[in-house]
Amino acid sequence: DSGVTQTPKHLITATGQRVTLRCSPRSGDLSVYWYQQSLDQGLQFLIHYYNGEERAKGNILERFSAQQFPDLHSELNLSSLELGDSALYFCASSVGPGTAPYEQYFGPGTRLTVT
Amino acid sequence: AQSVTQPDIHITVSEGASLELRCNYSYGATPYLFWYVQSPGQGLQLLLKYFSGDTLVQGIKGFEAEFKRSQSSFNLRKPSVHWSDAAEYFCAVGARGGGADGLTFGKGTHLIIQP
Repeated sequence: DSGVTQTPKHLITATGQRVTLRCSPRSGDLSVYWYQQSLDQGLQFLIHYYNGEERAKGNILERFSAQQFPDLHSELNLSSLELGDSALYFCASSVGPGTAPYEQYFGPGTRLTVT
Repeated sequence: AQSVTQPDIHITVSEGASLELRCNYSYGATPYLFWYVQSPGQGLQLLLKYFSGDTLVQGIKGFEAEFKRSQSSFNLRKPSVHWSDAAEYFCAVGARGGGADGLTFGKGTHLIIQP
């Protein structure tokens, strides 16, 4: 158990809908990273939040957005869903970006199926 | 931009035999290097990491990896595999100078253990 929690574990929804995925980082971690894992694209970095502020964006679609709340949990919002958005979505947490070495601890993931 | 190549999509090893999973990276300097393991239906678990210093690093579950700068490689090894090692293994790189950007992952190597 990494200490990172994600809900829900599974999500099935229809095209055009909007969903919200939730992540709680490990105690003491200020950074939350979101990743998408799909068969064709592999594991891709989406976005990073540190202590409530967006720090970096990866291959995140404009239909997707995220935020990190004062209690440090984070939510990933996916809207206007398409079949191709079906994937496993992971969040990971770390102490912080900084310049010191860091390592990321991953949650169990949310499996999204768009029908 | 950094990239990671895991040349072997699948590897089959007999239980008790030794294992080496290959990882090559592309990065302008010495990156942070990681190996993660993903069991079916699970999140990613950190096996080991390299930041600096000794180029042979020890990890959990009896795994080790060796950083070779001249070959831009970070191969994962285990002297004797167990059936429970069957899983997907991912090599990843992280940029130095701050951890704002997420990790860049290879496509993964699927390890099959033969009895």
